[in-house]
Amino acid sequence: EVQLVESGGGFVQPGGSLRLSCAASGFTLSSYSMDWFRQAPGKGLEWIAYISSTASTIYYTDSVKGRFTISRDTAKNSLYLQMNSLRDEDTAVYYCAKEKAGPPTIEEWGQGTLVTVSS
Amino acid sequence: DTQMTQSPSTLSASVGDRVTITCRASQSSGRLLAWYQQKPGKAPTLLIYKASLLESGVPSRFSGSGSGTEFTLTIASLQPDDFATYYCLQSFTYPYTFGQGTKVEIK
Repeated sequence: EVQLVESGGGFVQPGGSLRLSCAASGFTLSSYSMDWFRQAPGKGLEWIAYISSTASTIYYTDSVKGRFTISRDTAKNSLYLQMNSLRDEDTAVYYCAKEKAGPPTIEEWGQGTLVTVSS
Repeated sequence: DTQMTQSPSTLSASVGDRVTITCRASQSSGRLLAWYQQKPGKAPTLLIYKASLLESGVPSRFSGSGSGTEFTLTIASLQPDDFATYYCLQSFTYPYTFGQGTKVEIK
């Protein structure tokens, strides 16, 4: 059974940093592309970052470019999101997600971890 | 960026009703369009992918259609477990973009 478990969320002041982790089980991370999404309180879903199965291709949404970094550790079968220079508007539940093999489709989501940025 | 316009934003319906939700893309998304259901406090779950393919384990009352710029999610006979918010997502081009969501409420 595929499982994605996020951790690392919490309360941080503007300008601070957090590192989110996503522990994957039931599949090998190096065989699938992965993404991070977020959802601000009471708002819709937003895609923020992508890493290909080989880690050779990475994309970010414009609002996080230069501040967030997606990475993975295949030995730990874990995905990460390093978030620096956090802003109030980064407050959201952050989800990691697994894509299907083949044409891109998000098929599995973690339960999410809440990041609150506030002074 | 591809803008996804989803309608309606809210839908009031009764158990047994046929429900249709539409997503229009500002540019072609091919058939790389998926539909998700989200309940309060939970992660989204995949219902339909590649516009019309039913994800394993999803009830057959859910169906999807469309290609290019216009897509539809239909629930043939609304069940109590279906009251939730539904999102479309295009994965044809980066950034992936979602519709604004449709909240299906009990009439």
